[in-house]
Amino acid sequence: AQSVTQLDSQVPVFEEAPVELRCNYSSSVSVYLFWYVQYPNQGLQLLLKYLSGSTLVKGINGFEAEFNKSQTSFHLRKPSVHISDTAEYFCAVTDTNAGKSTFGDGTTLTVKP
Amino acid sequence: DTGVSQNPRHKITKRGQNVTFRCDPISEHNRLYWYRQTLGQGPEFLTYFQNEAQLEKSRLLSDRFSAERPKGSFSTLEIQRTEQGDSAMYLCASSPGDRGFYQPQHFGDGTRLSIL
Repeated sequence: AQSVTQLDSQVPVFEEAPVELRCNYSSSVSVYLFWYVQYPNQGLQLLLKYLSGSTLVKGINGFEAEFNKSQTSFHLRKPSVHISDTAEYFCAVTDTNAGKSTFGDGTTLTVKP
Repeated sequence: DTGVSQNPRHKITKRGQNVTFRCDPISEHNRLYWYRQTLGQGPEFLTYFQNEAQLEKSRLLSDRFSAERPKGSFSTLEIQRTEQGDSAMYLCASSPGDRGFYQPQHFGDGTRLSIL
């Protein structure tokens, strides 16, 4: 069984400030890790993924995430946010040998001017 | 790459009616997934196809729900005798690959179902 916990349901920040969106997971099997972004009335778009290798992964739009196996975390970061980053962000894990993905409940990032 | 297409975008129906949604995946993507997303929550896995074979179904997929992918291309999700609790966004996603699940899923914009 897998579970994903996004520790903050809402994160308000000012434009150009740094941001971290936290994600913890638990799984009895090995997993791949993903972050997706969802804009209103749209589907999810991939930001970045961790499959193996370097624990720091870089994605689109200046986002990066760090995989921490001992803490079972995969936190998302951006050094300087823009108004256009305002959206819902989802952390997800996928069993490496099965099709089912488990998503967190999302974090609403609101960037204020 | 035309993306994953879902139709209709919105569906309003009365309780007890049957509804059917369609998903057209990215061409040549072998895998197709259905999720349900309610307000304030992340997508919940419903079912998954590898080509035309339905390989996994969530316990969320009650007997009133059925999904098909007859030719391994588009898929349909049918809900019979709809209930108020079925109101949600239904998301479809597709991904390439025959081995492993490292490929990310590409999502459509969803079908929003509202039960009156």
